[in-house]
Amino acid sequence: DGGITQSPKYLFRKEGQNVTLSCEQNLNHDAMYWYRQDPGQGLRLIYYSQIVNDFQKGDIAEGYSVSREKKESFPLTVTSAQKNPTAFYLCASSIVGQGQSEQFFGPGTRLTVL
Amino acid sequence: AQKITQTQPGMFVQEKEAVTLDCTYDTSDPSYGLFWYKQPSSGEMIFLIYQGSYDQQNATEGRYSLNFQKARKSANLVISASQLGDSAMYFCATSYSGGGADGLTFGKGTHLIIQP
Repeated sequence: DGGITQSPKYLFRKEGQNVTLSCEQNLNHDAMYWYRQDPGQGLRLIYYSQIVNDFQKGDIAEGYSVSREKKESFPLTVTSAQKNPTAFYLCASSIVGQGQSEQFFGPGTRLTVL
Repeated sequence: AQKITQTQPGMFVQEKEAVTLDCTYDTSDPSYGLFWYKQPSSGEMIFLIYQGSYDQQNATEGRYSLNFQKARKSANLVISASQLGDSAMYFCATSYSGGGADGLTFGKGTHLIIQP
């Protein structure tokens, strides 16, 4: 089955530690995205990438870093510089082209920083 | 900058009734897309329907339709014959470009509860 996988589902870290969230897709999509969701809020864009070895900052990139070494993978690192890292993190992917490009989402990772 | 406003934090609807979820948007781009997603309690985001800014007709997908009023910058989601499984959070979103490959801007959502 084609889809997006995120691991782990739940993640606990101590304050001050960097943590990397995994996102893998086998949909052959060129574009991948990371969003953050806080309780009672909508999603906010952290980073996105439309092609391998290139990525762009979203609305709330401070304190986060990404890499795109392979088309299928787009890991997100939450650094110690992120002041409020506890949140639900969603990865998505889509085609790149004219017209409709709906994003397909993974199941998410719930990060709790203690 | 783009902005999505969903004015209904929560709604209770009787099963089998139709329901309209409100969404207004603000964008300076001449070309944009409007998306609706459903988020059940499990947390996954499920794509429901898309409307392009140049589409002449309102989009429909099964029981979902999008009431697009461009002059009012409104993109309401209509669910016909609601079912218990429709209970979820619903998010309206707009794209930075017509297709959405630059990322989406989401509203805060509407929590829909279908009652038997």
